[in-house]
Amino acid sequence: AQKITQTQPGMFVQEKEAVTLDCTYDTSDQSYGLFWYKQPSSGEMIFLIYQGSYDEQNATEGRYSLNFQKARKSANLVISASQLGDSAMYFCAMREGPGTGFQKLVFGTGTRLLVSP
Amino acid sequence: DGGITQSPKYLFRKEGQNVTLSCEQNLNHDAMYWYRQDPGQGLRLIYYSQIVNDFQKGDIAEGYSVSREKKESFPLTVTSAQKNPTAFYLCASTQRGTGSNYGYTFGSGTRLTVV
Repeated sequence: AQKITQTQPGMFVQEKEAVTLDCTYDTSDQSYGLFWYKQPSSGEMIFLIYQGSYDEQNATEGRYSLNFQKARKSANLVISASQLGDSAMYFCAMREGPGTGFQKLVFGTGTRLLVSP
Repeated sequence: DGGITQSPKYLFRKEGQNVTLSCEQNLNHDAMYWYRQDPGQGLRLIYYSQIVNDFQKGDIAEGYSVSREKKESFPLTVTSAQKNPTAFYLCASTQRGTGSNYGYTFGSGTRLTVV
């Protein structure tokens, strides 16, 4: 069974608008972590934001926020005030377990975001 | 600056050849990982190593081999047994036991093409 599901292959947004990228996950662990990464056309993976399963508040990092709905097992990324430089692939990933030792991340298939002027 | 260096950036392989992708980190991280990325797919784990001289197979290890003789280095060999090696390969590392908020540090990747 797929552990991370990103149902949007592509998304379009106009500059300065907000956009939500969807991510649902599947795990039986009580302790886990959720990550979002950005991959520009150059290929490197850039860490954006992290949400722990026990975190009570939604994570925020600048223009990025994570809409964490634990009961629904969703961890959507919200980008506010989109910029042209936000055009990239975005991956949701999950780590099962507390992460104090070895970490193995499972990735979704990604969403390509295109920001237009 | 600390980081992960992958080389080469582009690599071309003839069918039947083995090739080795380099991954070096100066972050003093304990664990290192190799992922493969195909178009339209996410990253899939090939091999990982938690400490020197130890490594484990990931989800798609067939046709690949690794070594971890030094903490800083985790080279990946794509052997002739790998039937479809054309892909983008990413190396990553983490520090064991320091918390989990940042996941992996990634290299910039190697794009391998079979010609």
